[in-house]
Amino acid sequence: ETGVTQSPTHLIKTRGQQVTLRCSSQSGHNTVSWYQQALGQGPQFIFQYYREEENGRGNFPPRFSGLQFPNYSSELNVNALELDDSALYLCASSFYRETNTEAFFGQGTRLTVV
Amino acid sequence: AQKITQTQPGMFVQEKEAVTLDCTYDTSDPSYGLFWYKQPSSGEMIFLIYQGSYDQQNATEGRYSLNFQKARKSANLVISASQLGDSAMYFCAMRERNFNKFYFGSGTKLNVKP
Repeated sequence: ETGVTQSPTHLIKTRGQQVTLRCSSQSGHNTVSWYQQALGQGPQFIFQYYREEENGRGNFPPRFSGLQFPNYSSELNVNALELDDSALYLCASSFYRETNTEAFFGQGTRLTVV
Repeated sequence: AQKITQTQPGMFVQEKEAVTLDCTYDTSDPSYGLFWYKQPSSGEMIFLIYQGSYDQQNATEGRYSLNFQKARKSANLVISASQLGDSAMYFCAMRERNFNKFYFGSGTKLNVKP
């Protein structure tokens, strides 16, 4: 079991609403990344935070935004939810620029947009 | 071009036998790391094994070994003595030195038959 915790584990929202997902990172890790995993697909990179600033972004619109706090925990915010936003959202913590260390993933938040 | 390609959507293996899951990758960064993760139905990504681009020997972790062929850009996962608990989705992933995010393949669903 990793030290990465995500909340909530499941969530149902209505199209057009806003949602906030939370992640507490592994102790000592300074980088948090968020991934979206649609059903039957591999995770897709949303963005990454390092030292409380966005440090890279995948092909996701601005209505996907985030925060990283001084204790390295993080939030993912999605505005104006669309049906296609239904997915498993994974948070991963790691050390910045260290390719030889694994990322620890949380158990994910399953978001359903109806 | 796809960064990570997994060409086997599904695989079956008899319990106690070995199985190889294929993965090819594409990068121009000389420094990168290759990872395999297991994802059970619960959703959490479980780290299995890591191979660095400069590592001379193939990585091994218990029943897991990584067949790294750098010239062919392949990083196949070998699971020896399969167990029923190995039934899950398996993802190959890569992280480049120049950018910290993970690129994931589309995954292989492994079913271990008793």
